[in-house]
Amino acid sequence: ILNVEQSPQSLHVQEGDSTNFTCSFPSSNFYALHWYRWETAKSPEALFVMTLNGDEKKKGRISATLNTKEGYSYLYIKGSQPEDSATYLCAFVGGATNKLIFGTGTLLAVQP
Amino acid sequence: AAGVIQSPRHLIKEKRETATLKCYPIPRHDTVYWYQQGPGQDPQFLISFYEKMQSDKGSIPDRFSAQQFSDYHSELNMSSLELGDSALYFCASSFRGPTGELFFGEGSRLTVL
Repeated sequence: ILNVEQSPQSLHVQEGDSTNFTCSFPSSNFYALHWYRWETAKSPEALFVMTLNGDEKKKGRISATLNTKEGYSYLYIKGSQPEDSATYLCAFVGGATNKLIFGTGTLLAVQP
Repeated sequence: AAGVIQSPRHLIKEKRETATLKCYPIPRHDTVYWYQQGPGQDPQFLISFYEKMQSDKGSIPDRFSAQQFSDYHSELNMSSLELGDSALYFCASSFRGPTGELFFGEGSRLTVL
């Protein structure tokens, strides 16, 4: 059974704070790592897809890094805003499959 | 731009009945995924199709079946429904399989009474 874990489970920050959370995944047989943002009552929205060890991706105030050798990815949000409040999901793809295994998510709440 | 379309958005069925959910992927996307999200849970992978062929199978019960048709739309058929099947069912599509980002539909909420 493949284990994809995210921490922390939830996070409450003040507007303007920078924050980061972690996705841990099996370090063997890595193929791809996805990050999604999921707002309440909406469908998940893709943030990043990373495939190479050392990948760093950035979209506005959000960035992500990838370490496939040790099996983790970090998602960073700089200067959090209330509209960043959402659940952030990572999904691991192992081997040449079409199966994304989702983590349990990190629920971010940004207080104005 | 066209998104992933799922129908119906809401469905109420009784135990032991049958339900069919439909998914229309984004044009030119070659991969379709089905996920089930129970209350308070993360999405669980059910099944995926690549170019109309089943490519991977997850925790899909034997009572469920799915297929992808020649026009690339996919249907998830659920029979002998149980109370535990009540969930939000997401369909997603991507181009280039799992290295392409998934675009999700808005989900079909199934309630089994």
